[in-house]
Amino acid sequence: GEDVEQSLFLSVREGDSSVINCTYTDSSSTYLYWYKQEPGAGLQLLTYIFSNMDMKQDQRLTVLLNKKDKHLSLRIADTQTGDSAIYFCAEGARSGGSYIPTFGRGTSLIVHP
Amino acid sequence: GAGVSQSPSNKVTEKGKDVELRCDPISGHTALYWYRQSLGQGLEFLIYFQGNSAPDKSGLPSDRFSAERTGGSVSTLTIQRTQQEDSAVYLCASSLRLAGEGYNEQFFGPGTRLTVL
Repeated sequence: GEDVEQSLFLSVREGDSSVINCTYTDSSSTYLYWYKQEPGAGLQLLTYIFSNMDMKQDQRLTVLLNKKDKHLSLRIADTQTGDSAIYFCAEGARSGGSYIPTFGRGTSLIVHP
Repeated sequence: GAGVSQSPSNKVTEKGKDVELRCDPISGHTALYWYRQSLGQGLEFLIYFQGNSAPDKSGLPSDRFSAERTGGSVSTLTIQRTQQEDSAVYLCASSLRLAGEGYNEQFFGPGTRLTVL
């Protein structure tokens, strides 16, 4: 069945780059998403990538997709304390019927001075 | 415009009581989802309302859980005879499109934190 896995914690120093990794199992996934959850709030879409792309860059964010290995990563350049949050990887597939997006457990990013 | 809202933001109840959690999705959004977020467990899918079709209830953990969506808008998640293991944050999300229809951003509410004593 489908499953999305992420490491639970990542600690980085302010100004360094952060890399959050995710693996998924559904090869039919056509869209892969990164959501950010700040304390006490719901999830908010950060960025996404379509499965025919290898990389997507958006300001400080870089998403890399290795479709062969079903591996997705999110790189945050020049990480700031405001980036401290939980980051969720999610996959959504195209199907004939309904398909519920599957989320990973979330990676808690802690940024310290 | 307004985002997804949920009420109450916090709910403390005694074991065995029933609770109702409310979700107001973004106007015009076809799909509505309920998730449960427990500490260290990520997002657990509960139920999905897909337009006028029958809801996908495959994620409901027991028959104590039920949900309805009236008039294609507001949704209520009901938990009967609450147990301590029901304590979690319940998140609601809505999306413009139905799940599986290509790019489909979900918009989340802030959640209801349920504590069962």
